[in-house]
Amino acid sequence: EAQVTQNPRYLITVTGKKLTVTCSQNMNHEYMSWYRQDPGLGLRQIYYSMNVEVTDKGDVPEGYKVSRKEKRNFPLILESPSPNQTSLYFCASSLGGATYGYTFGSGTRLTVV
Amino acid sequence: AQTVTQSQPEMSVQEAETVTLSCTYDTSENNYYLFWYKQPPSRQMILVIRQEAYKQQNATENRFSVNFQKAAKSFSLKISDSQLGDTAMYFCASPESLNFNKFYFGSGTKLNVKP
Repeated sequence: EAQVTQNPRYLITVTGKKLTVTCSQNMNHEYMSWYRQDPGLGLRQIYYSMNVEVTDKGDVPEGYKVSRKEKRNFPLILESPSPNQTSLYFCASSLGGATYGYTFGSGTRLTVV
Repeated sequence: AQTVTQSQPEMSVQEAETVTLSCTYDTSENNYYLFWYKQPPSRQMILVIRQEAYKQQNATENRFSVNFQKAAKSFSLKISDSQLGDTAMYFCASPESLNFNKFYFGSGTKLNVKP
C-alpha cells in the first residue's frame, strides 16, 4: 500500500530533551515536507526537500532540523524542544511538489511540558 | 508570505443538502494549482480535489466540485448530497507564487453534517 509512515503517533516529552520524529514513504517521491498544525492557523510548512541532500526552509523553521540522506526518509529533529512546539505534526510526500498535491502521514501529536 | 483565507470557521448542513465552502488566495502567477483537503476526526489529511488555474473548466470529483474564479482569486468547494461521512475540517491550499515547493494552507472550515 502506498503510504507515508510517521512515528510515533503520540509523544510527550520535557523541555530541552532532543527528539526525532521519523517519516518514511514508499512511493519513490522526490518531494517531502513537514508541517505543523495549530488551532486557527491551519497547517504551516516547517521544511521541505526536493531530493536527497536538498532541503529548504518553509514558513516556520525555527527550532527544527531536517535531513534527507535517503530518498524515502525525512526525519524531523527538535534539538531542544520548548512548550511552544507543542503541536500536531504531519509529514507529507509528493511526486511533483505543489503541482500534484501532497500525500500525508497520519500525524504525530507532540506535547512538550 | 502568501495568504490563503477561509472566512468560515464553522458551517453546518443537513444530510443530502448542498454546501459551499469559500476560499480566497493571493498569487501573482498565471498558472498554478489549488487544492482542497479534508481532515476527518481521524486527523488524516485527504486530498479532495485539485484545480489547475490554466484550465477554464472547474474540477469535479463525484459529489465534490469547485467554483474557480481566477480574476477574483476565489476557489470555493461545493459538496452536493452531503453525507454524514463528510463531517470534517476542510482546508484550502495553494503554492507560493515564486516557489511552488512552498505550500500554504488556509485556517480551515469545520463542516458538520447533521442527520
